[in-house]
Amino acid sequence: DVKVTQSSRYLVKRTGEKVFLECVQDMDHENMFWYRQDPGLGLRLIYFSYDVKMKEKGDIPEGYSVSREKKERFSLILESASTNQTSMYLCASITRRAYSPLHFGNGTRLTVT
Amino acid sequence: AQTVTQSQPEMSVQEAETVTLSCTYDTSESDYYLFWYKQPPSRQMILVIRQEAYKQQNATENRFSVNFQKAAKSFSLKISDSQLGDAAMYFCAYRTPRGNEKLTFGTGTRLTIIP
Repeated sequence: DVKVTQSSRYLVKRTGEKVFLECVQDMDHENMFWYRQDPGLGLRLIYFSYDVKMKEKGDIPEGYSVSREKKERFSLILESASTNQTSMYLCASITRRAYSPLHFGNGTRLTVT
Repeated sequence: AQTVTQSQPEMSVQEAETVTLSCTYDTSESDYYLFWYKQPPSRQMILVIRQEAYKQQNATENRFSVNFQKAAKSFSLKISDSQLGDAAMYFCAYRTPRGNEKLTFGTGTRLTIIP
């Protein structure tokens, strides 16, 4: 079974802190994604990566950056956390075969106070 | 850009009855893939069913089936014999056949099962 592991299930940070959300997948998937989930807005794509050291902006990249130094790991970085970044963050991975489904982690619920 | 619309923020159904969740999408592509995902209270997103646009036949997985209307750009999910465990958020998603592109999700429908 594909496993996508997010380092934290719940996280509480203060405004202005630098925040790292880590995601690791064990199925050698090429593509990895960070989504943000908010009520009534569904899943919105922040960044995605289709190869090591490659990244593409999604729909809402402002205030975020990412790092993919190894194929299995994709990190989301909040350079200076703000209260409007309080949300659920979902990591996902997928092979390049378009019919393949996304495999998701369990999500990190981040609260910025 | 592709968009996915789920017009029903909330739905409810009696246990053992049938419910249909709607999804429409907008694309200029002729070949693409459509998915329904379920997110129960545990937060783990689970694939329910998927459909390839070039296939005429509607996909079916046990109690879950889709009504895929390509010309109308509609992809509804039918759940038969609803069970308490079906209570969840359901998301419709779209993907192009190009392997390096993202999935686009709808805003979700919260399904409640009434015992």
